[in-house]
Amino acid sequence: NAGVTQTPKFQVLKTGQSMTLQCAQDMNHEYMSWYRQDPGMGLRLIHYSVGAGITDQGEVPNGYNVSRSTTEDFPLRLLSAAPSQTSVYFCASSPDYEQETQYFGPGTRLLVL
Amino acid sequence: GENVEQHPSTLSVQEGDSAVIKCTYSDSASNYFPWYKQELGKGPQLIIDIRSNVGEKKDQRIAVTLNKTAKHFSLHITETQPEDSAVYFCAASRGSNYQLIWGAGTKLIIKP
Repeated sequence: NAGVTQTPKFQVLKTGQSMTLQCAQDMNHEYMSWYRQDPGMGLRLIHYSVGAGITDQGEVPNGYNVSRSTTEDFPLRLLSAAPSQTSVYFCASSPDYEQETQYFGPGTRLLVL
Repeated sequence: GENVEQHPSTLSVQEGDSAVIKCTYSDSASNYFPWYKQELGKGPQLIIDIRSNVGEKKDQRIAVTLNKTAKHFSLHITETQPEDSAVYFCAASRGSNYQLIWGAGTKLIIKP
């Protein structure tokens, strides 16, 4: 098993550009989520999904969209990048949403100029 | 709003000594408390967790204690080794929807 994979590893964007961060898992997990990690702030939940076709907002969803057309994939879209979105983004999956171990990908480091 | 406070932000200990990281939570309905370890350039990885019906849990050199009355929980690492150097995050479940509220992290440095 590859676990949770994320691409790209690093990306530089200009303000106003859009892009998609890819996330995939091969563990047949129902629950997937996107976090952003900023210095001194821990992890903050952006969006999550409890299964294919179902998504919901976390605590910092503004400026981001997600979709879940398959169990394996959970892409995160930045609609119009802003410098405030400079961060490290982590995708995670778990067998269920309720108090299960979350398995994290290696992260995508995003710089918005 | 609900939050988790984690202290200290940086902890430096001599190899072989013990390390303790403390977290305090505000949501009285929280009932699941995991600890994650993040090595440089990697995603966080679960190292131990505890549920509200248990006061202490141990796994080899790692232990977690929970005081529900005081709303705080702690990570204890004994006989520290160089590979314990990392950033450690605590988290607490929201009572309303099971999502996790994360602490800000503690950078643990093991001095040789």
